[in-house]
Amino acid sequence: SQQGEEDPQALSIQEGENATMNCSYKTSINNLQWYRQNSGRGLVHLILIRSNEREKHSGRLRVTLDTSKKSSSLLITASRAADTASYFCATDAVTSGTYKYIFGTGTRLKVLA
Amino acid sequence: EAQVTQNPRYLITVTGKKLTVTCSQNMNHEYMSWYRQDPGLGLRQIYYSMNVEVTDKGDVPEGYKVSRKEKRNFPLILESPSPNQTSLYFCASSFQGQPNSPLHFGNGTRLTVT
Repeated sequence: SQQGEEDPQALSIQEGENATMNCSYKTSINNLQWYRQNSGRGLVHLILIRSNEREKHSGRLRVTLDTSKKSSSLLITASRAADTASYFCATDAVTSGTYKYIFGTGTRLKVLA
Repeated sequence: EAQVTQNPRYLITVTGKKLTVTCSQNMNHEYMSWYRQDPGLGLRQIYYSMNVEVTDKGDVPEGYKVSRKEKRNFPLILESPSPNQTSLYFCASSFQGQPNSPLHFGNGTRLTVT
């Protein structure tokens, strides 16, 4: 699988429920970021978690990071119809002294009103 | 308003006809990058630039060119487009291209090559 692979590929929930999506990666990282993409639009940065952090919160978002398992999860609590979007994790990789961001294939979340 | 602006938003062209997609950012970011997004493949990096006059290949650079003559602009050039370059393209920028700098994305350019 690719660096930064999200699971599940698609998720459908009712408004008010929590949504959890997972990201697995292969190599060591400095940081992991989560982005949201509304249909066909540009990605919007949600949250960044550093490799020495285990959990981070931002509003209704909660991100966890387990470097021993090379995985991260994004929890959206009390979901709203406006949360309908695709969610991507992005990991960093050092290549020849420069950094690059590697994106997964995303989780498509649909929140039903 | 801080933003990354791409133009055009939609582009339909024919095989072999040179085209340029423009990208401009007003945040004084040093790092800029181009991605293409295809179903099932996620975002793949085409080229990136750490600063003016410094560009480097990403994962899928074949068939593309870029230039970075000014800090704010990073155009993507397709000298001879082919149908396999039909895709959704995104330009992005960040403060210093460091792993703790979030990327700011443009709204995308949907390119169709017939």
